[in-house]
Amino acid sequence: KNEVEQSPQNLTAQEGEFITINCSYSVGISALHWLQQHPGGGIVSLFMLSSGKKKHGRLIATINIQEKHSSLHITASHPRDSAVYICAVLGGVQKLVFGQGTRLTINP
Amino acid sequence: GAVVSQHPSRVICKSGTSVKIECRSLDFQATTMFWYRQFPKQSLMLMATSNEGSKATYEQGVEKDKFLINHASLTLSTLTVTSAHPEDSSFYICSAADPSSSYEQYFGPGTRLTVT
Repeated sequence: KNEVEQSPQNLTAQEGEFITINCSYSVGISALHWLQQHPGGGIVSLFMLSSGKKKHGRLIATINIQEKHSSLHITASHPRDSAVYICAVLGGVQKLVFGQGTRLTINP
Repeated sequence: GAVVSQHPSRVICKSGTSVKIECRSLDFQATTMFWYRQFPKQSLMLMATSNEGSKATYEQGVEKDKFLINHASLTLSTLTVTSAHPEDSSFYICSAADPSSSYEQYFGPGTRLTVT
């Protein structure tokens, strides 16, 4: 079993839908990252959080430390949101442990 | 957010040659940088942790003599793939940890290496 599990692995939705991507982890962490990777390959850090909730534009990330679970939500989804979303947890020595990614496709 | 650049973005080289990839933090000083490798449709795999002013720490299974890392300044780390072979073809990504923002990692745009 991977230390970081994401679900779903693939998600296709229509433009405007509310999107939720889940991340569960089994190790102790100091923080959790949500990353976005577009087809060109570059990675953008969307959020780093260690408790509670953060919001940036149409993106919302939440984390429940007791349940070792985080969610990334996208409101009013748009085709440009199509990308791979990666959950990564920060354990000891600043090393990130990555989930396998969720491939999101938003159709117009 | 903070910006990390990588150069080159894409490189093609012949078997047996060496290739250097640069990773720069543009608006913060990074004592620690990380080098990752990513195969198609797979997640990132940490290769090594680059520490300014000291030797890099390599992950198990990564040959330090093949993947030379130098972190000569607080804004620059380089990865040199020596005597490259076709199996070294991959997407290489660096990240830099910003100490002023709880060591949040910022990622470079990646370098696609093709060895012919």
